[in-house]
Amino acid sequence: SYELTQSPSVSVFPGQTASITCSGDKLRDKYVCWYQQKPGQSPILIIYQDTKRPSGIPERFSGSNSGNTASLTISGTQPMDEADYYCQAWDGSTGVFGTGTKVTVL
Amino acid sequence: QLQLQESGPGLVKSSETLSLTCTVSGGSISSKNYFWGWIRQPPGKGLEWIGIGTIYYSGRTHYNPSLRSRVTISVDTSKNQFSLKLTSVTAADTAVYYCARISTVSDSSGYYLDAFDIWGRGTMVTVSA
Repeated sequence: SYELTQSPSVSVFPGQTASITCSGDKLRDKYVCWYQQKPGQSPILIIYQDTKRPSGIPERFSGSNSGNTASLTISGTQPMDEADYYCQAWDGSTGVFGTGTKVTVL
Repeated sequence: QLQLQESGPGLVKSSETLSLTCTVSGGSISSKNYFWGWIRQPPGKGLEWIGIGTIYYSGRTHYNPSLRSRVTISVDTSKNQFSLKLTSVTAADTAVYYCARISTVSDSSGYYLDAFDIWGRGTMVTVSA
């Protein structure tokens, strides 16, 4: 089965840039989405089709996908960005979520 | 604004069937460009995709291969709801269960699945011995 692997945790100071990676075989051939989940809340979509932001998502969130790795970048990280982040892709018609990355704002 | 709300028993006995319903409000479940699906999250763990369904494309459904033998997702347009049934549950099925809308993109060859763009608030289901 297809797998998406993320680093377990990332720490960043306020105002700095946080980078989260998602690795999978030939991931460049798939569209990747990213979701943010805060404690006790449901996930929200923050990036779709590798690079697009839904309405209402701040510009500091950006995405890319190349080779076997997709990335989510948070520029000028704010304390409110502390959360778990999950990548997601489709392997044919099977949905796959990444293992998740906890972002801590120091 | 479209909203999703999960409902169902919070406690299910081991070996029995877990049944959940997701009610769609503020929009129609009959919209052609969407699938409707379920995701779960065991306590302290990550997200697991369960499956999706639609009334279109001959009522197409897609399930997680690891759960396929136990899962059924159905869509009820008359009630603007969709449901999840998971049979023969064990403690490993204890989780928060989310329903979600899945957008699709159409092209000349048909469609492809896109993003889980709207989520319900989730409902905790515990499987007891």
